[in-house]
Amino acid sequence: DAMVIQNPRYQVTQFGKPVTLSCSQTLNHNVMYWYQQKSSQAPKLLFHYYDKDFNNEADTPDNFQSRRPNTSFCFLDIRSPGLGDAAMYLCATSTGTAYSYEQYFGPGTRLTVT
Amino acid sequence: AQSVTQLGSHVSVSEGALVLLRCNYSSSVPPYLFWYVQYPNQGLQLLLKYTSAATLVKGINGFEAEFKKSETSFHLTKPSAHMSDAAEYFCAVTHNQAGTALIFGKGTTLSVSS
Repeated sequence: DAMVIQNPRYQVTQFGKPVTLSCSQTLNHNVMYWYQQKSSQAPKLLFHYYDKDFNNEADTPDNFQSRRPNTSFCFLDIRSPGLGDAAMYLCATSTGTAYSYEQYFGPGTRLTVT
Repeated sequence: AQSVTQLGSHVSVSEGALVLLRCNYSSSVPPYLFWYVQYPNQGLQLLLKYTSAATLVKGINGFEAEFKKSETSFHLTKPSAHMSDAAEYFCAVTHNQAGTALIFGKGTTLSVSS
């Protein structure tokens, strides 16, 4: 089945130690999104790629970076994780960025910072 | 700026009872509204969406929602709750412009008791 896959599902990192989260998709969608969802809060968009075009949300900290080497894969890099970055990170894909395009979400990666 | 407010962070119902989850939105432009469901340790799944066609929108799993412009509301209902409906529900808003982010509410946890 076509799907959005996130690895790992659970990630533990140390304060200040760089960490990379992975997302892959078999849907061949043009757009890939990264959301941060802190405990008991709504998902918050960090950035998205439309093909190779990167779009950063205005309030996304510089500590968060992303790479999309090809259509299928997208990575979230946290350069120096702080305790406040502990959250669920959700990857989503869609065929376009207009409202009419449904976003398909992966299961998420839960990041713990010690 | 757009926003959504979900009234009630927790809703508890008995199996077979009516489910009503409330969502009010704020938008200076015609909104497009969504309801997503999130089961434990899973990503978000689209239940239904309003995109300026019919004001009563039917979704998956027996859920429906009605767009009421005069009340700025988009409440989610289901006539008869099932145990499998227990999950987190998010209301989200965006508007008809490519690249516009989905703005999520803080979510409502639905509990269903037998």
